[in-house]
Amino acid sequence: EAGVTQFPSHSVIEKGQTVTLRCDPISGHDNLYWYRRVMGKEIKFLLHFVKESKQDESGMPNNRFLAERTGGTYSTLKVQPAELEDSGVYFCASSSWTSESYEQYFGPGTRLTVT
Amino acid sequence: AQSVTQLGSHVSVSEGALVLLRCNYSSSVPPYLFWYVQYPNQGLQLLLKYTSAATLVKGINGFEAEFKKSETSFHLTKPSAHMSDAAEYFCAVKSGGNQGGKLIFGQGTELSVKP
Repeated sequence: EAGVTQFPSHSVIEKGQTVTLRCDPISGHDNLYWYRRVMGKEIKFLLHFVKESKQDESGMPNNRFLAERTGGTYSTLKVQPAELEDSGVYFCASSSWTSESYEQYFGPGTRLTVT
Repeated sequence: AQSVTQLGSHVSVSEGALVLLRCNYSSSVPPYLFWYVQYPNQGLQLLLKYTSAATLVKGINGFEAEFKKSETSFHLTKPSAHMSDAAEYFCAVKSGGNQGGKLIFGQGTELSVKP
């Protein structure tokens, strides 16, 4: 079974540009999460999808961030326009409703650098 | 509100020595607790989880953690460190009572193992 995959693994963009991150969850996982770790800080929750619906987007920092999950499969996170403080590692995770331990499986992350 | 505190951002041990990584949590409801590990250039991997079944939880790679409600702690231990244990370790609590709740992470502890 394939794990959570994320693309790209690294992205370097200039301030003001747009970047789109992609996450493919484990097949059959209805729950999809985005997290972010800014340098030197803890990993912080951004939002949670259940299938294609946003269940919780309380962690989204501002309206420059737009997340979508078309058809309840893969998800994209767009940052437009990017600012310097958006630099960090963006993690995606997925989980199944049938998991008795509610554990989330993480992808390798996308390292975003805004210059 | 739930929170997690990891004591010590860096811990260094000698190979063969005991590993002890500290985690304290705050939760108004019975918590679900997790330890994740991130090896260099990889994503987060679940080490072990507490879901109220047993207070002493055994995980992968010889790690274990004990849930102590009276101390609100969930410290991670391993009797004998290996060089391959060098990584960053994260303690997390799952928020809310529903299955799909977000994870709240501690700041992370980087473990170094000296030969």
